[in-house]
Amino acid sequence: DAGVIQSPRHEVTEMGQEVTLRCKPISGHDYLFWYRQTMMRGLELLIYFNNNVPIDDSGMPEDRFSAKMPNASFSTLKIQPSEPRDSAVYFCASSRTSGQGTYEQYFGPGTRLTVT
Amino acid sequence: AQSVAQPEDQVNVAEGNPLTVKCTYSVSGNPYLFWYVQYPNRGLQFLLKYITGDNLVKGSYGFEAEFNKSQTSFHLKKPSALVSDSALYFCAVRDRTGRRALTFGSGTRLQVQP
Repeated sequence: DAGVIQSPRHEVTEMGQEVTLRCKPISGHDYLFWYRQTMMRGLELLIYFNNNVPIDDSGMPEDRFSAKMPNASFSTLKIQPSEPRDSAVYFCASSRTSGQGTYEQYFGPGTRLTVT
Repeated sequence: AQSVAQPEDQVNVAEGNPLTVKCTYSVSGNPYLFWYVQYPNRGLQFLLKYITGDNLVKGSYGFEAEFNKSQTSFHLKKPSALVSDSALYFCAVRDRTGRRALTFGSGTRLQVQP
């Protein structure tokens, strides 16, 4: 299996521009998570989906952030308009359901976003 | 609310010596506990997990962790450190409700000196 795939790996954009990050989870996984990692705040959960349905978006910073999962193989995280404080590494992770609901999450390589 | 504390920002150990990376947690009820490792410019890699049963859990690359319920701890250990173990280590917890999100600690940087 190729693992969780994220694109792009690096994104540099100017303040005010729209940014779209993409994620392909591991085939067969029914949970998908978006995280953000910064030096100041560490690793934060933004949102997660189960069977393509958003379950918890309480970590989404503000209305400028939105996430979609149109099918089991694809998710996007969009920032519009972007701001310098959005600069971070954004990770996507996926996992699958078990009887105990305990399967670990597998992380993608991340997208390093720089907003100037 | 659940939380994880990793009290040491950095741990330094000589190659060949045993290592311990500390983690304490707070959660309602019994926890699920995880350790992840992050190498530079890479995503997090799963190392091991505690679900139930034996308090000593063995994982990848010779790592193990001991669950201590009375001390609410889940310290990561390895009998003999390698230089290649140098990385950032994260402890994570979730409760046994339906919510599947993990809460991560702030991370501990492990530096193994040759």
